[in-house]
Amino acid sequence: EAGVAQSPRYKIIEKRQSVAFWCNPISGHATLYWYQQILGQGPKLLIQFQNNGVVDDSQLPKDRFSAERLKGVDSTLKIQPAKLEDSAVYLCASSPYPSGGFAGELFFGEGSRLTVL
Amino acid sequence: EDQVTQSPEALRLQEGESSSLNCSYTVSGLRGLFWYRQDPGKGPEFLFTLYSAGEEKEKERLKATLTKKESFLHITAPKPEDSATYLCAVPDSGAGSYQLTFGKGTKLSVIP
Repeated sequence: EAGVAQSPRYKIIEKRQSVAFWCNPISGHATLYWYQQILGQGPKLLIQFQNNGVVDDSQLPKDRFSAERLKGVDSTLKIQPAKLEDSAVYLCASSPYPSGGFAGELFFGEGSRLTVL
Repeated sequence: EDQVTQSPEALRLQEGESSSLNCSYTVSGLRGLFWYRQDPGKGPEFLFTLYSAGEEKEKERLKATLTKKESFLHITAPKPEDSATYLCAVPDSGAGSYQLTFGKGTKLSVIP
């Protein structure tokens, strides 16, 4: 079974530039998450989708971050304009369980490492 | 606010030297505690779910236990391939959708 695919794996940009990350979850997984992991920290949830609808985006900095999940499958996370503090690994995860159900076993991709100079 | 605290931040063991990692949490109405392993440059990989005090789960050299305030990940006779960062997480205590709050992790290094 193919895992969660993410691209690009690495991205270096100047501050105030924009960047987009792509995620393809495991086939059939209804719930998709984007996490931000700063070096030395645990992952922090940015946004959660159930199919193509947003379940929770309360921790997403909406002045610069946006995310969408078209047709309930692939998802993109965009940052515009980027700040130095956005340097982190952006992890996509999926789960076969709907929101409100058991969600402990998340399947993570390898992440997209962003460096903002 | 729900909190998850892991200790120690880093642990260095000789191969075969058993030890334990700690995860303490402050949530009301715990709905499970989850352990993940994260290798450098990779996403976290699920290990265990614990739901109630006294519960134990085992996988190879790892055993996870849960009390009302903390969880331990015991590593018996570790090997170098057990080197990784171990993360614990709990679902937020609020009603509605499950969202995981992760600790900062314990970085384990096992020296041959």
